[in-house]
Amino acid sequence: QQQVKQSPQSLIVQKGGISIINCAYENTAFDYFPWYQQFPGKGPALLIAIRPDVSEKKEGRFTISFNKSAKQFSLHIMDSQPGDSATYFCAASITQGAQKLVFGQGTRLTINP
Amino acid sequence: EAGVAQSPRYKIIEKRQSVAFWCNPISGHATLYWYQQILGQGPKLLIQFQNNGVVDDSQLPKDRFSAERLKGVDSTLKIQPAKLEDSAVYLCASSLALRQYTEAFFGQGTRLTVV
Repeated sequence: QQQVKQSPQSLIVQKGGISIINCAYENTAFDYFPWYQQFPGKGPALLIAIRPDVSEKKEGRFTISFNKSAKQFSLHIMDSQPGDSATYFCAASITQGAQKLVFGQGTRLTINP
Repeated sequence: EAGVAQSPRYKIIEKRQSVAFWCNPISGHATLYWYQQILGQGPKLLIQFQNNGVVDDSQLPKDRFSAERLKGVDSTLKIQPAKLEDSAVYLCASSLALRQYTEAFFGQGTRLTVV
């Protein structure tokens, strides 16, 4: 019940296209859903995050869509660029008490020029 | 501001040897996390500190792993004895406090190879 399932494992998109990564969770107590971006040899860095009281959040080319009833959320990268090539992790947290992040398995995104 | 510092960056040891990793969190961050990231997987929380107290260590293999955070600042994670399956990147992260939606900042990690 603490798992977050992420798909696909890898994704190849042409430059300028839309990259879409999906995540699903079971625990309805999760109340914070961040996405992290990780480049080779670096630690994960927060990209964008959403709370379950909104259905969408947009920051530049990055958008999170959240479906509370389906217990699913997704990351959309518009106008994908080669510099977006990285591994993306969705995560979920229960913020009452300890803020413990549970991560998905990761998606390796490659943007072809 | 300076980020989360970790050392060493890389470590290769033989199985049954011991190893220690060090983490210096961002100044003022009360919460410190150690994560294990096996190749091709997402980070898995090993232990979480609030100041120098343990908040969650439910996934720490306590027969071989130990961690401490003396004086509520720096932290060390130790493995003794190491097994082949401990090969992974060990990530340290810190956040301001135990409160809603506090961003966790990650260090670059220590890549451990057990041979």
